Amino acid sequence: QSALTQPPSVSGSPGQSVTISCTGASSDIGSYNRVSWYQQSPGTAPKLMIYEVSNRPSGVPDRFSGSKSGDTASLTISGLQAEDEADYFCSSYTSSSTVVVFGGGTKVTVL
Amino acid sequence: QVQLQESGPGLVRSSQTLSLTCTVSGGSISSGGYYWSWIRQHPGRDLEWIGYIYHNGNTYYDPSLKSRATISVDTSKNQFSLNVRSVTVADTAVYYCARAPLGPAVWYFDLWGRGTLVTVSS
Repeated sequence: QSALTQPPSVSGSPGQSVTISCTGASSDIGSYNRVSWYQQSPGTAPKLMIYEVSNRPSGVPDRFSGSKSGDTASLTISGLQAEDEADYFCSSYTSSSTVVVFGGGTKVTVL
Repeated sequence: QVQLQESGPGLVRSSQTLSLTCTVSGGSISSGGYYWSWIRQHPGRDLEWIGYIYHNGNTYYDPSLKSRATISVDTSKNQFSLNVRSVTVADTAVYYCARAPLGPAVWYFDLWGRGTLVTVSS
C-alpha cells in the first residue's frame, strides 16, 4: 500500500479541468513543501511535471498547476487535452528514514 | 540532452542477485550536482525508491532494502549500477534509474530512464 493516497482514476472532457488529490501525513506533505508530480504514459519514462508543490520545469505547459493544503497536495490540469491522458503520480519528501514516498497513481482519462 | 538508459537481465531466478546498470549519456556523472537513484514500480503500479549514489561514491538506501541492495558508480564509463541480493518474486518490478538535483535530501527526480522489467522466477 502506497504511503500517499491518490484516487485511482479521474476523467474529463477536452477543455475541462480535472484535479488529482494526493493525501499524506504530517511527516511528509503536511510539513514540507517538497511535493512533486510525474506524468507516465505507457512505455515511456516518467516525466516531472511539478516540483516543490507548484513549480513547473521548463517545457511543461502552464495548464498544469500544483497546490497544497495541510496534508493534501493537488495537481490541476486546466483545458484538458487528449495528450494529457496518462497516469500521474505524486511524491513527497518524508522525515522518516524512507526519505521519498510515492502515491499509488491516478489514471486520467480524456472522454 | 542528458538521457538515462537501464540495462540488464529481464529474468532472474529466486535467491539469485539482480544486477542492473544505468548508462548516462549527454552529461557527466562526475560533474556533480545530482543524486543518481534507482526506483522500482511493482506490477500494481506502486513506486518504491531504492536508494541513491553521489559521484563520490556516497550512498543512501531505503531501510526496507538496505540489507540487500548495493548501488555503485563507475565514472569512467559514466554508469551507475544496482545489485539486489537474494531476490524473491516480490522483487519483480520495472526498475528505473533517475536523477535528482542535489540538495539537503532527495526532493524530486527531474529525469528518468524508460525502465526495464525484471521478473523473478521461482
